[in-house]
Amino acid sequence: GAGVSQTPSNKVTEKGKYVELRCDPISGHTALYWYRQSLGQGPEFLIYFQGTGAADDSGLPNDRFFAVRPEGSVSTLKIQRTERGDSAVYLCASSLMTFSGANVLTFGAGSRLTVL
Amino acid sequence: TQLLEQSPQFLSIQEGENLTVYCNSSSVFSSLQWYRQEPGEGPVLLVTVVTGGEVKKLKRLTFQFGDARKDSSLHITAAQPGDTGLYLCAGEGFGNNDMRFGAGTRLTVKP
Repeated sequence: GAGVSQTPSNKVTEKGKYVELRCDPISGHTALYWYRQSLGQGPEFLIYFQGTGAADDSGLPNDRFFAVRPEGSVSTLKIQRTERGDSAVYLCASSLMTFSGANVLTFGAGSRLTVL
Repeated sequence: TQLLEQSPQFLSIQEGENLTVYCNSSSVFSSLQWYRQEPGEGPVLLVTVVTGGEVKKLKRLTFQFGDARKDSSLHITAAQPGDTGLYLCAGEGFGNNDMRFGAGTRLTVKP
């Protein structure tokens, strides 16, 4: 597709369950970002990939959160033993890194996670 | 603690009024971007400013990057109800492509 696709758009789970959120970036975009956004707040940085490798994972809140991008395209954010505090919208963005100009992110619509 | 502080947090004005929102930081950025986000959607880029002191205009929106590359402002002239939304600033670090966001200014323009 032409844009960034995120699935599922909504996920309701129970406390303690495992969740996977998927991001399909714009074709050819080398960088991919994950953010978490709580109600009324701005996007909170989680991790970003340059190609297949995590260039910066300093935003992951704890070891229950993990993300992969094995082929440098689709990425999966994995959350183990979910807690109610994990409830938020998880946003994915991709960008085409260039050596001139700034880094421009294109966002998906997000995956809304609700942990009961 | 937010790396980027945005003010005001909320702003409600009448159609036709002018407004300015601010984005401040103690950090220096290689570029600063403004995004607008509507409910149920991801943020959409409005503008990127790269040079200290730079001013960019986009129709009724004027963006300025501070001389020291630590702050920015967004001015809207003759606001319209269609300008309603969450305005986010985001700063890009030097040499690392990290993009960090402020908490946003939620603007409501009443007809």
